[in-house]
Amino acid sequence: DAGVTQSPTHLIKTRGQQVTLRCSPKSGHDTVSWYQQALGQGPQFIFQYYEEEERQRGNFPDRFSGHQFPNYSSELNVNALLLGDSALYLCASSLPRVTEAFFGQGTRLTVV
Amino acid sequence: GNSVTQMEGPVTLSEEAFLTINCTYTATGYPSLFWYVQYPGEGLQLLLKATKADDKGSNKGFEATYRKETTSFHLEKGSVQVSDSAVYFCALSDEDSNYQLIWGAGTKLIIKP
Repeated sequence: DAGVTQSPTHLIKTRGQQVTLRCSPKSGHDTVSWYQQALGQGPQFIFQYYEEEERQRGNFPDRFSGHQFPNYSSELNVNALLLGDSALYLCASSLPRVTEAFFGQGTRLTVV
Repeated sequence: GNSVTQMEGPVTLSEEAFLTINCTYTATGYPSLFWYVQYPGEGLQLLLKATKADDKGSNKGFEATYRKETTSFHLEKGSVQVSDSAVYFCALSDEDSNYQLIWGAGTKLIIKP
């Protein structure tokens, strides 16, 4: 079992650019959540996808959008990048209505 | 709404010392409780969990007991090692939060040889 895999592992972008991060959930999981973790802080919930639809959303602007594919993999898109978007982006997968989530290693995004 | 409060760090201990990291929660329902660990430069790993009152989660020598009467889920280990140095996060999840994880701020643990 490969667990949750994220790509890329590191990324450097320029302010104003757009970025796409990718996540493949753990085998058998169909629910994917995305979190932003700034340096030295706890994770902040961005949104959750289930059945290819955004089911919940945290307090993030519309510049943050996502997608889930029929194979349950997911993308996180961030437009018009700001310096403050620099963070570790974590993907977690789970089963619906199950509380335990498994995390990937994260994508470290640096905006310069 | 639901929330998690955990003790501020960093916590610095010598090897083989006893560890306690406090975690208390506020929840309207009956949450599941978790401890996650994050080693430097890595993602989050589930360390242990408890899904109902009086349950004890345990893993790698760490333990935590779900205490509903004190709304607490303190993390303990009898003898820490240098390799336990990491950031520890307490979290909860329940139906009221739509199974979204609600996180504490994290506690950095530093173990000195």
